[in-house]
Amino acid sequence: EADIYQTPRYLVIGTGKKITLECSQTMGHDKMYWYQQDPGMELHLIHYSYGVNSTEKGDLSSESTVSRIRTEHFPLTLESARPSHTSQYLCASSAREGWDSPLHFGNGTRLTVT
Amino acid sequence: DQQVKQNSPSLSVQEGRISILNCDYTNSMFDYFLWYKKYPAEGPTFLISISSIKDKNEDGRFTVFLNKSAKHLSLHIVPSQPGDSAVYFCAARRGGSQGNLIFGKGTKLSVKP
Repeated sequence: EADIYQTPRYLVIGTGKKITLECSQTMGHDKMYWYQQDPGMELHLIHYSYGVNSTEKGDLSSESTVSRIRTEHFPLTLESARPSHTSQYLCASSAREGWDSPLHFGNGTRLTVT
Repeated sequence: DQQVKQNSPSLSVQEGRISILNCDYTNSMFDYFLWYKKYPAEGPTFLISISSIKDKNEDGRFTVFLNKSAKHLSLHIVPSQPGDSAVYFCAARRGGSQGNLIFGKGTKLSVKP
Protein backbone atom coordinates (compact mmCIF):
# COMPACT_ATOMS: atom_id res chain seq x y z
CA GLU A 1 0.00 0.00 0.00
CA ALA A 2 1.76 3.12 -1.27
CA ASP A 3 1.84 6.37 0.68
CA ILE A 4 4.00 7.91 -2.00
CA TYR A 5 2.48 8.40 -5.41
CA GLN A 6 4.07 8.91 -8.80
CA THR A 7 2.34 9.89 -12.00
CA PRO A 8 2.33 8.97 -14.76
CA ARG A 9 3.37 5.31 -14.41
CA TYR A 10 4.40 5.16 -18.08
CA LEU A 11 5.19 7.98 -20.48
CA VAL A 12 6.23 7.83 -24.13
CA ILE A 13 7.11 11.21 -25.54
CA GLY A 14 8.93 12.72 -28.49
CA THR A 15 12.31 14.41 -28.45
CA GLY A 16 12.28 18.07 -27.46
CA LYS A 17 9.11 17.97 -25.38
CA LYS A 18 8.96 19.38 -21.86
CA ILE A 19 7.81 16.88 -19.24
CA THR A 20 7.08 16.92 -15.53
CA LEU A 21 7.07 13.77 -13.44
CA GLU A 22 4.88 14.11 -10.38
CA CYS A 23 5.63 12.78 -6.90
CA SER A 24 3.51 13.26 -3.80
CA GLN A 25 3.65 11.73 -0.34
CA THR A 26 1.07 11.78 2.42
CA MET A 27 3.38 10.83 5.29
CA GLY A 28 4.58 14.34 6.15
CA HIS A 29 8.19 13.36 5.43
CA ASP A 30 10.70 16.18 5.23
CA LYS A 31 13.23 14.36 3.06
CA MET A 32 12.48 13.44 -0.54
CA TYR A 33 14.60 11.98 -3.33
CA TRP A 34 14.65 11.19 -7.02
CA TYR A 35 16.52 8.11 -8.24
CA GLN A 36 17.14 7.00 -11.80
CA GLN A 37 17.47 3.34 -12.71
CA ASP A 38 18.25 1.61 -15.99
CA PRO A 39 17.40 -2.13 -16.35
CA GLY A 40 19.83 -4.35 -14.50
CA MET A 41 21.66 -1.40 -13.03
CA GLU A 42 21.89 0.26 -9.65
CA LEU A 43 19.68 3.12 -8.54
CA HIS A 44 21.44 6.47 -8.89
CA LEU A 45 20.47 9.51 -6.83
CA ILE A 46 19.84 12.53 -9.08
CA HIS A 47 18.11 15.01 -6.73
CA TYR A 48 17.15 15.31 -3.08
CA SER A 49 15.46 17.75 -0.74
CA TYR A 50 15.57 18.15 3.02
CA GLY A 51 12.47 20.31 3.17
CA VAL A 52 10.52 23.13 1.56
CA ASN A 53 12.66 25.38 -0.64
CA SER A 54 15.62 23.01 -0.26
CA THR A 55 16.93 21.08 -3.30
CA GLU A 56 20.31 19.51 -4.00
CA LYS A 57 21.86 17.60 -6.88
CA GLY A 58 22.67 13.96 -6.27
CA ASP A 59 25.57 11.74 -7.16
CA LEU A 60 24.56 11.28 -10.82
CA SER A 61 24.56 14.35 -13.02
CA SER A 62 21.15 14.99 -14.55
CA GLU A 63 19.70 17.58 -16.90
CA SER A 64 16.45 17.50 -14.94
CA THR A 65 15.40 20.05 -12.34
CA VAL A 66 13.25 19.75 -9.23
CA SER A 67 11.28 22.02 -6.96
CA ARG A 68 9.95 21.72 -3.39
CA ILE A 69 7.32 24.35 -2.77
CA ARG A 70 5.19 22.12 -0.54
CA THR A 71 6.31 19.40 1.85
CA GLU A 72 4.24 16.72 0.16
CA HIS A 73 5.14 17.51 -3.46
CA PHE A 74 8.47 17.02 -5.27
CA PRO A 75 8.07 17.22 -9.07
CA LEU A 76 10.89 16.58 -11.54
CA THR A 77 11.04 18.49 -14.84
CA LEU A 78 12.89 17.90 -18.09
CA GLU A 79 12.80 21.03 -20.24
CA SER A 80 13.69 19.22 -23.46
CA ALA A 81 13.48 15.44 -23.44
CA ARG A 82 16.07 13.40 -25.34
CA PRO A 83 16.36 9.63 -26.01
CA SER A 84 19.23 9.51 -23.46
CA HIS A 85 16.65 10.41 -20.79
CA THR A 86 14.85 7.10 -21.35
CA SER A 87 14.92 5.37 -17.96
CA GLN A 88 12.90 4.58 -14.86
CA TYR A 89 12.54 7.42 -12.37
CA LEU A 90 11.83 6.54 -8.75
CA CYS A 91 10.74 9.02 -6.09
CA ALA A 92 11.30 8.31 -2.40
CA SER A 93 10.87 9.93 0.99
CA SER A 94 12.10 9.38 4.53
CA ALA A 95 11.06 10.60 7.93
CA ARG A 96 13.79 10.96 10.43
CA GLU A 97 17.19 12.54 10.60
CA GLY A 98 20.11 10.27 11.21
CA TRP A 99 21.12 6.90 9.96
CA ASP A 100 18.14 4.72 10.77
CA SER A 101 15.62 6.13 8.33
CA PRO A 102 14.82 3.80 5.44
CA LEU A 103 13.50 5.25 2.21
CA HIS A 104 9.92 4.69 1.11
CA PHE A 105 9.68 4.47 -2.68
CA GLY A 106 6.88 5.17 -5.11
CA ASN A 107 6.13 2.76 -7.96
CA GLY A 108 8.15 4.78 -10.43
CA THR A 109 7.65 6.41 -13.81
CA ARG A 110 9.01 4.57 -16.83
CA LEU A 111 9.95 7.24 -19.37
CA THR A 112 10.60 6.51 -23.05
CA VAL A 113 11.77 9.34 -25.29
CA THR A 114 11.50 8.59 -29.00
CA ASP B 1 33.71 2.78 -9.68
CA GLN B 2 31.09 0.71 -7.92
CA GLN B 3 31.18 1.06 -4.14
CA VAL B 4 28.47 -1.54 -3.54
CA LYS B 5 28.71 -4.74 -5.53
CA GLN B 6 26.26 -7.57 -5.97
CA ASN B 7 28.19 -9.97 -8.12
CA SER B 8 25.41 -12.48 -8.73
CA PRO B 9 22.81 -11.11 -11.14
CA SER B 10 20.49 -14.02 -10.42
CA LEU B 11 19.87 -16.86 -7.98
CA SER B 12 17.49 -19.80 -8.20
CA VAL B 13 16.39 -21.69 -5.08
CA GLN B 14 13.88 -24.42 -4.31
CA GLU B 15 10.94 -23.55 -2.09
CA GLY B 16 11.65 -24.30 1.57
CA ARG B 17 15.43 -24.07 1.19
CA ILE B 18 17.71 -21.22 2.23
CA SER B 19 18.39 -18.27 -0.07
CA ILE B 20 21.68 -16.44 0.48
CA LEU B 21 22.21 -13.12 -1.29
CA ASN B 22 25.62 -11.52 -1.10
CA CYS B 23 26.88 -7.95 -1.20
CA ASP B 24 30.40 -6.50 -1.05
CA TYR B 25 31.39 -2.92 -0.47
CA THR B 26 34.60 -0.96 -0.83
CA ASN B 27 34.10 2.16 1.29
CA SER B 28 35.07 1.65 4.93
CA MET B 29 33.12 4.80 5.83
CA PHE B 30 29.81 3.01 5.27
CA ASP B 31 28.16 2.46 8.63
CA TYR B 32 24.61 1.46 7.80
CA PHE B 33 23.40 -1.15 5.36
CA LEU B 34 19.95 -1.95 4.02
CA TRP B 35 18.27 -4.52 1.84
CA TYR B 36 15.37 -3.64 -0.44
CA LYS B 37 13.08 -5.95 -2.39
CA LYS B 38 11.59 -4.97 -5.72
CA TYR B 39 8.78 -6.63 -7.65
CA PRO B 40 8.31 -5.86 -11.36
CA ALA B 41 6.50 -2.57 -12.05
CA GLU B 42 6.75 -1.56 -8.38
CA GLY B 43 9.15 0.56 -6.38
CA PRO B 44 11.66 -1.01 -3.98
CA THR B 45 10.37 -1.79 -0.49
CA PHE B 46 12.54 -1.76 2.60
CA LEU B 47 13.26 -5.22 3.97
CA ILE B 48 15.86 -5.16 6.72
CA SER B 49 18.86 -3.12 7.85
CA ILE B 50 21.96 -3.40 9.98
CA SER B 51 24.24 -0.92 11.68
CA SER B 52 28.00 -1.39 11.47
CA ILE B 53 28.12 -1.82 15.25
CA LYS B 54 26.29 -5.14 14.84
CA ASP B 55 27.15 -8.32 12.99
CA LYS B 56 23.67 -9.78 12.74
CA ASN B 57 20.08 -8.59 12.57
CA GLU B 58 17.07 -10.85 12.33
CA ASP B 59 13.45 -10.21 11.34
CA GLY B 60 11.32 -13.29 10.94
CA ARG B 61 12.56 -15.33 7.98
CA PHE B 62 15.13 -12.68 7.07
CA THR B 63 18.59 -12.34 8.63
CA VAL B 64 21.35 -10.00 7.58
CA PHE B 65 24.96 -10.74 8.49
CA LEU B 66 27.73 -8.15 8.37
CA ASN B 67 31.45 -8.96 8.20
CA LYS B 68 33.21 -5.60 8.48
CA SER B 69 36.72 -6.95 8.11
CA ALA B 70 35.75 -8.54 4.79
CA LYS B 71 33.47 -5.62 3.81
CA HIS B 72 30.79 -8.17 3.10
CA LEU B 73 27.16 -8.59 4.02
CA SER B 74 24.64 -11.26 3.22
CA LEU B 75 20.89 -11.69 3.41
CA HIS B 76 19.56 -15.10 4.41
CA ILE B 77 15.96 -16.07 3.75
CA VAL B 78 14.79 -19.21 5.53
CA PRO B 79 12.62 -20.89 4.43
CA SER B 80 12.33 -19.42 0.96
CA GLN B 81 8.84 -19.01 -0.48
CA PRO B 82 7.68 -18.41 -4.09
CA GLY B 83 6.46 -14.94 -3.02
CA ASP B 84 10.07 -14.05 -2.23
CA SER B 85 10.86 -14.08 -5.95
CA ALA B 86 11.96 -10.51 -6.67
CA VAL B 87 15.05 -8.40 -7.24
CA TYR B 88 16.97 -7.69 -4.04
CA PHE B 89 19.08 -4.54 -3.75
CA CYS B 90 21.82 -4.01 -1.22
CA ALA B 91 22.40 -0.38 -0.18
CA ALA B 92 24.88 1.41 2.04
CA ARG B 93 25.09 4.79 3.71
CA ARG B 94 28.17 6.78 4.66
CA GLY B 95 28.53 7.94 8.21
CA GLY B 96 27.40 11.54 8.59
CA SER B 97 25.65 11.79 5.22
CA GLN B 98 21.93 12.32 5.37
CA GLY B 99 20.00 9.86 3.30
CA ASN B 100 22.31 9.40 0.35
CA LEU B 101 22.22 5.66 -0.15
CA ILE B 102 24.57 3.89 -2.56
CA PHE B 103 22.86 0.92 -4.24
CA GLY B 104 24.14 -2.27 -5.81
CA LYS B 105 22.84 -3.55 -9.15
CA GLY B 106 20.55 -6.10 -7.55
CA THR B 107 20.19 -9.88 -7.55
CA LYS B 108 17.12 -11.49 -9.07
CA LEU B 109 15.91 -14.29 -6.81
CA SER B 110 13.65 -17.01 -8.22
CA VAL B 111 12.09 -19.42 -5.73
CA LYS B 112 10.71 -22.47 -7.48
CA PRO B 113 7.75 -24.40 -5.99
